[in-house]
Formats: sequence, C-alpha cells, structure tokens
Amino acid sequence: GQQLNQSPQSMFIQEGEDVSMNCTSSSIFNTWLWYKQDPGEGPVLLIALYKAGELTSNGRLTAQFGITRKDSFLNISASIPSDVGIYFCAGPTNQAGTALIFGKGTTLSVSS
Amino acid sequence: DSGVTQTPKHLITATGQRVTLRCSPRSGDLSVYWYQQSLDQGLQFLIQYYNGEERAKGNILERFSAQQFPDLHSELNLSSLELGDSALYFCASSAEGAGLAGDNEQFFGPGTRLTVL
Repeated sequence: GQQLNQSPQSMFIQEGEDVSMNCTSSSIFNTWLWYKQDPGEGPVLLIALYKAGELTSNGRLTAQFGITRKDSFLNISASIPSDVGIYFCAGPTNQAGTALIFGKGTTLSVSS
Repeated sequence: DSGVTQTPKHLITATGQRVTLRCSPRSGDLSVYWYQQSLDQGLQFLIQYYNGEERAKGNILERFSAQQFPDLHSELNLSSLELGDSALYFCASSAEGAGLAGDNEQFFGPGTRLTVL
C-alpha cells in the first residue's frame, strides 16, 4: 500500500545550524504538505506544494516538490530552539475523498 | 490557532466503555476528517465527512463511528473500548470543494488524548 518514508528519523543539532530532511514515496503524489507538531498539540501546516519542481519558502523554512513527484524536501535555515518538534510530510491517499497519508516524522532537537 | 476546536482535551475511561469526541471545523469548511495518532502506528486516517455525508473511510474499526451535523460540527463515537484504543484523536478540516487554491490543505485541532484503563 501507500507509504511515505521520512529520513532521518531524528536529528540533534546546534542552534544556528541548517537542517535538511526528506520524504520519499513509491507512488506519485500531486500534492506534498509539510506539518510540524509540538508535544501534546495538533500538527500545524507549514508549507504546501502543488507542482513538480516547485520551491516554496515560509520564513526560514523552504520545501521542494521533487521532479519525479515521488519525493519532497524540507530545509530549515539557522535553526532556533523553537524549531524543536516533529516534522511530518503528507500527501493525498489513493482512496476516495481527500484524506492524507503521513510519514512517520522526523524529530528535531536543537541545543542552544 | 487553526480555528478547529476539539473537546474534551483529555478523556480517561475504562475498558468496555463508550465515549464521544467532538469537533468544530474552521468557519466555512465543509470537510471534516478524523485521525488517530499512536506511537506505533503514527497518524492514521479514520474517516471523512463532507457537508454532512460520509466521504471516505480509512482504518476505522467497526466499534467506531462518526457523524457530521447540519451545523458542520462532527462527533466521533468510540465504543467497547480496549486498552489499544488509547491514543491521540485529531480532527482536521479543509475548504475542499470551495474552488479556492489550496482547498485540500487540512488544518488540525488540538486533539483529544484518550486513555483507556
């Protein structure tokens, strides 16, 4: 079935460093979404991508829709302590309706 | 604040019991989705309602059911609860069908943490 593979599973970085994470799929997606979840909270939409090759920024965050449409990348520049959390990629399921399938997430820890 | 509200925030109950989780979508959103988040399974889609009608089903157990009311709020009913049902339950809404760019983007509520003892 459909699956989204995120890597790395976790990252431990120093404040100020840049971060890169990615998400891959065995099937083609027409939409890629990136969410961040803080402990005990709901996922918050960071960036939405709709076109292969598209590069979209939201502040220090930049995401790219892979040209093959089977992958997406999220970069965070100059990380700060509040970047700590779990980052999820998501895309539409191949079922009826418009539900999302999520990756397992990348847990980011930032030390100051 | 996503504009999606969920109640209650926490729920502790016993095995075999029945609970109801409530969700109010963002103003104007017609689509409501329910997701379950557990440590081993991650975020899993349960069910979607669109303007009062069931739209799609995911990995939802037969013991679980949902509905969306005319005012567009939704309730998720979980019955004959088991220990393994302990999880975070999220509601999300989207403007799907509004014909706007990005109307498939989903916005999540703060969740209900269910603990079954």
